[in-house]
Amino acid sequence: GAVVSQHPSRVICKSGTSVKIECRSLDFQATTMFWYRQFPKQSLMLMATSNEGSKATYEQGVEKDKFLINHASLTLSTLTVTSAHPEDSSFYICSALEGTGGGSTLFFGEGSRLTVL
Amino acid sequence: AQKITQTQPGMFVQEKEAVTLDCTYDTSDQSYGLFWYKQPSSGEMIFLIYQGSYDEQNATEGRYSLNFQKARKSANLVISASQLGDSAMYFCAMRPLNTGGFKTIFGAGTRLFVKA
Repeated sequence: GAVVSQHPSRVICKSGTSVKIECRSLDFQATTMFWYRQFPKQSLMLMATSNEGSKATYEQGVEKDKFLINHASLTLSTLTVTSAHPEDSSFYICSALEGTGGGSTLFFGEGSRLTVL
Repeated sequence: AQKITQTQPGMFVQEKEAVTLDCTYDTSDQSYGLFWYKQPSSGEMIFLIYQGSYDEQNATEGRYSLNFQKARKSANLVISASQLGDSAMYFCAMRPLNTGGFKTIFGAGTRLFVKA
């Protein structure tokens, strides 16, 4: 299957700093990528849809100024958690849509575990 | 609005036996896709199987099969000949195929424990 790489897999930072997480589609071009957040023992919550060359579409309740998303190329989307606080600690997973239309499949990165001290 | 329901927080199965993980869904879309993903303790999401709402036959992928009952709005995952490595969280997911920006929503998940 298609490969989506996410980096870093783990990051620990101090409160108030910003953290950037990268999501790359390694063997296909992805015009659309998605960012999810997963709390322990819970399901994946969609944060935003990242579209190459345009602004991200955020889900209701997600602060766009705190979670900056940039989709600069067809293979790279980044999520920057700005001025991180302990409540931002979570598992963040990106996914990329391979293909177009109804036959497209969603592939996921390995996830990034963020711990804010 | 779309909704995915997985009513089994945890399931146990004996190694080599088959197990069914339940999933029901609700959507107003006429065309949609149903997916199952496996999430081991490492956290990665592994795609298992896909069923389109327009598919008349149930999808199968190796030991995985999807029991799709459109009228009941259910899409249960059947794992045959369970293996110890099947122990993981399993998520049922759905996505509209023609509208909604292809956003995928997930159920709460079912944790599967395979016993030796």
